[in-house]
Amino acid sequence: NAGVMQNPRHLVRRRGQEARLRCSPMKGHSHVYWYRQLPEEGLKFMVYLQKENIIDESGMPKERFSAEFPKEGPSILRIQQVVRGDSAAYFCASSPQGGGPADTQYFGPGTRLTVL
Amino acid sequence: QQQVKQSPQSLIVQKGGISIINCAYENTAFDYFPWYQQFPGKGPALLIAIRPDVSEKKEGRFTISFNKSAKQFSLHIMDSQPGDSATYFCAANRGSTLGRLYFGRGTQLTVWP
Repeated sequence: NAGVMQNPRHLVRRRGQEARLRCSPMKGHSHVYWYRQLPEEGLKFMVYLQKENIIDESGMPKERFSAEFPKEGPSILRIQQVVRGDSAAYFCASSPQGGGPADTQYFGPGTRLTVL
Repeated sequence: QQQVKQSPQSLIVQKGGISIINCAYENTAFDYFPWYQQFPGKGPALLIAIRPDVSEKKEGRFTISFNKSAKQFSLHIMDSQPGDSATYFCAANRGSTLGRLYFGRGTQLTVWP
């Protein structure tokens, strides 16, 4: 049973370019979360999605960042016009439910974004 | 505002010793407290989790102690091994509702052989 998959694992962009990060949840999971990890810091929640729905985007910067989880295909985190401060590790997690006693979030290996 | 506070930031333990990492939270609505282990270049992996209806949970060498009245919980690693060297994150959320996790800043554990 494959775990959460993320690609690319490493992404280098120049300032002003777009970054597109992909996440395929575990089989049978319909809930996806995106977190950002800056050096020497914990993970910060960005957005929580279900298929075709954004449930909670309270952690997303208001500009340049967007996320989607279409009916078919992976979830995508898109960062437009990247700046150096966007350099971080971006992790995707999935869960079978959106909460509840038996729910657990499983994390992917992350995408390390470097903005030159 | 950091919803979950974790200490220490780094910890060095001799092989065979006990590693203890502490976390505190403010939001009494939190009812699910997982610990994640992260190795360099990898994603966080769930280690052990507890809900506030019990005060302790043990899985192998890993134990979570939970103090609801003090709003604190801790991870104990017994007989620490060099392979345990990693960064450990505590987290919390309102498990009954939306799934976002609030993470502590992490503890970098080094176990010397």
